[in-house]
Amino acid sequence: LAKTTQPISMDSYEGQEVNITCSHNNIATNDYITWYQQFPSQGPRFIIQGYKTKVTNEVASLFIPADRKSSTLSLPRVSLSDTAVYYCLVGDYNNAGNMLTFGGGTRLMVKP
Amino acid sequence: EAQVTQNPRYLITVTGKKLTVTCSQNMNHEYMSWYRQDPGLGLRQIYYSMNVEVTDKGDVPEGYKVSRKEKRNFPLILESPSPNQTSLYFCASRQGGRYGYTFGSGTRLTVV
Repeated sequence: LAKTTQPISMDSYEGQEVNITCSHNNIATNDYITWYQQFPSQGPRFIIQGYKTKVTNEVASLFIPADRKSSTLSLPRVSLSDTAVYYCLVGDYNNAGNMLTFGGGTRLMVKP
Repeated sequence: EAQVTQNPRYLITVTGKKLTVTCSQNMNHEYMSWYRQDPGLGLRQIYYSMNVEVTDKGDVPEGYKVSRKEKRNFPLILESPSPNQTSLYFCASRQGGRYGYTFGSGTRLTVV
């Protein structure tokens, strides 16, 4: 399973765009990239998933370069309620997808 | 409402007294998993199941048992709890293929 590296923490202000980058140098051909959000004492919540290029949903965008060795979660116009820990996971969901290891995540603090 | 339900939400018990944390999902998901979350250690997978009667160890299985007799239920059993199993536990489920996990609300267990 590909190991991931993310910044431990980030600060931002309300209304700004936040970009969190995840490094996964040994990503395998069949691996997908998934991001989760977790609030204190709650279970992680699925945000977005992608394989290559760009994926967008109502919450975020995910940018994946051609070499797929990194990915960037983009949160547009964050609010105080976006303060949370964000996890990047990489895995082959069709095979070893159940052995999904959460790294340390990125603690995002949004300030007024 | 599609959800993963864990019970109890909070539990204080004594060392050695067997306990079971229940987990049930109403989404007909194939895959289910248990995680524990500890400060500074992030989320670590305990056990996972790919279908009824198919289970396998995660990263930290020692001291835990699971069973998957029905598709919707995946209980976590602590035969002889010890204080080092004091933690926040999450159950999760997902559909086969490249889909993210849906997590339960968590069970905060204290073993004294």
